Amino acid sequence: AQSVTQLDSQVPVFEEAPVELRCNYSSSVSVYLFWYVQYPNQGLQLLLKYLSGSTLVESINGFEAEFNKSQTSFHLRKPSVHISDTAEYFCAVSLSGGYNKLIFGAGTRLAVHP
Amino acid sequence: GAGVSQSPRYKVAKRGQDVALRCDPISGHVSLFWYQQALGQGPEFLTYFQNEAQLDKSGLPSDRFFAERPEGSVSTLKIQRTQQEDSAVYLCASRKGSLWDTDTQYFGPGTRLTVL
Repeated sequence: AQSVTQLDSQVPVFEEAPVELRCNYSSSVSVYLFWYVQYPNQGLQLLLKYLSGSTLVESINGFEAEFNKSQTSFHLRKPSVHISDTAEYFCAVSLSGGYNKLIFGAGTRLAVHP
Repeated sequence: GAGVSQSPRYKVAKRGQDVALRCDPISGHVSLFWYQQALGQGPEFLTYFQNEAQLDKSGLPSDRFFAERPEGSVSTLKIQRTQQEDSAVYLCASRKGSLWDTDTQYFGPGTRLTVL
């Protein structure tokens, strides 16, 4: 069975500081990896995903994540956060070759302070 | 175009009542998923439809939960004889492609169910 662990339930950070949200997964087969973001009072939105190829993937708003197969990790990073990045971030996996139901971690609440 | 919509957005039910939650996926999307998100947790898979066919219902927590998508578009999640542990946000997601597709799942805003 697959599982996802998000190591931090809450991450407080000051505006313009760098941030890393950690995600580790467990799976005996190949997986796809995702980060979803949930802004207050909004639905889940895809931030970025890794399917294959380059292990470093980027989003349009400055986030990036690197797939590390040996460490079974997919940590999310941003070099300089904004107040508007305050949200809940969910890491998820799906089995490659299946119909791709998502298995989510418990989420990390990122709180950016001025 | 319009995204995934869900109704009602909020539902309060007395224990033992039946409820029906509706999902309108993005038009033309073949795949539809239901997830349950308990307070402070990540979403958990409930069931998957490809068009009108329910291909996986392994995540439904009990036989009180039933989902359908009779015409391959709108889907309804029904919970019979609701219990307090059913209180959660129920999320619907749709995807353009079918079984092996890796396209994005688009989520609706969810229905928050509170069972008193």
